[in-house]
Amino acid sequence: KNEVEQSPQNLTAQEGEFITINCSYSVGISALHWLQQHPGGGIVSLFMLSSGKKKHGRLIATINIQEKHSSLHITASHPRDSAVYICAVVRDSNYQLIWGAGTKLIIKP
Amino acid sequence: EAGVAQSPRYKIIEKRQSVAFWCNPISGHATLYWYQQILGQGPKLLIQFQNNGVVDDSQLPKDRFSAERLKGVDSTLKIQPAKLEDSAVYLCASSRNGGEKTGGIYEQYFGPGTRLTVT
Repeated sequence: KNEVEQSPQNLTAQEGEFITINCSYSVGISALHWLQQHPGGGIVSLFMLSSGKKKHGRLIATINIQEKHSSLHITASHPRDSAVYICAVVRDSNYQLIWGAGTKLIIKP
Repeated sequence: EAGVAQSPRYKIIEKRQSVAFWCNPISGHATLYWYQQILGQGPKLLIQFQNNGVVDDSQLPKDRFSAERLKGVDSTLKIQPAKLEDSAVYLCASSRNGGEKTGGIYEQYFGPGTRLTVT
């Protein structure tokens, strides 16, 4: 079993829909990253969380340390949000970054 | 501030050939990372440098891969000889600090990546 699991693997939605991407992990962590990767492009860090909730524009990230779960929400989704969203956690025992496989999001106009 | 620079952006080589990638991190960032991302998977850390010293190279296939960061600034990653399974995107990232207990964890900034195709 992977130490970081994301769901869904693929998500297709219509423009304007509210999007939720989930990340569950099985190790103790000191922080969790949400990152965005466009086709053929590099990776952009969206959020780094260690507790609670962060908001940036239409993006909201939450984390529940007790349940070892984080969610990334996109409000009023737009085709330019189409990308792969990756969850990565920082293992607290050795500060190693453990990556999820990513969620491929497609927003149709 | 300028971002992480990588070159080339794309490279196509035949198996058994050699290839080198270059990365220039954000100015002042002490930690530099090289990742390999195979299509459909998350990135895998190949090597992490703190200044010009290696912090972690446990997943670097040392029989064919090598990396250096001689002056503690830019870095090169080399594959010699390449295999078909080396086809991937090679990402470079940098951070102000990394792997340190005090002060928490700093965000990594990623370059655009180099897409390598081995035929």
